[in-house]
Amino acid sequence: EAGVTQFPSHSVIEKGQTVTLRCDPISGHDNLYWYRRVMGKEIKFLLHFVKESKQDESGMPNNRFLAERTGGTYSTLKVQPAELEDSGVYFCASSQDLGNRGRGGYTFGSGTRLTVV
Amino acid sequence: AQTVTQSQPEMSVQEAETVTLSCTYDTSESDYYLFWYKQPPSRQMILVIRQEAYKQQNATENRFSVNFQKAAKSFSLKISDSQLGDAAMYFCAYRQSSNTGKLIFGQGTTLQVKP
Repeated sequence: EAGVTQFPSHSVIEKGQTVTLRCDPISGHDNLYWYRRVMGKEIKFLLHFVKESKQDESGMPNNRFLAERTGGTYSTLKVQPAELEDSGVYFCASSQDLGNRGRGGYTFGSGTRLTVV
Repeated sequence: AQTVTQSQPEMSVQEAETVTLSCTYDTSESDYYLFWYKQPPSRQMILVIRQEAYKQQNATENRFSVNFQKAAKSFSLKISDSQLGDAAMYFCAYRQSSNTGKLIFGQGTTLQVKP
């Protein structure tokens, strides 16, 4: 089974530019999550998709962030325009259910390290 | 709001020895899940162990075990017979049992294993 794939693995952009991160979940996983870790701080939840619908977007920091999951398959997270404080590692995770069953149920990607200069 | 605290930014252990990583959390819920995740350098985060709050018995997975103290809201991870491959950042995480998959993470503990 292929894991959760994120790309790019690294991105360096200038302040004011636009960046789009992509996450390909495990096939068949309806639930897709985005998290972010700003340097030295805890990993924070951004949002949760169930198929193509946003179940919970309470963690999205502001309207410069736009997440989509067209067709309920892969998801993109666009930052426009990027600010210095957006730097960090963006993680994606997917699960078949809400993680109630099995050994946690979440599979994480390796993350995208975003640096805004 | 729920919070998770890992008070040890860094820990080190000698190979083959035992180490305990601390985690405390705050919640008003009675039913929830707790997790320990491991993230090796430049690699994806993987689940180490999970605990359901309604279970009194501490979870165990091979060399990994937890000490779950519900009243004290404490969830420590014990790694026995530490191996070089255990070196990683460890995150404690909380999840409500209600209709959400949202995880709340602690700040992480970097574990160094000395040969």
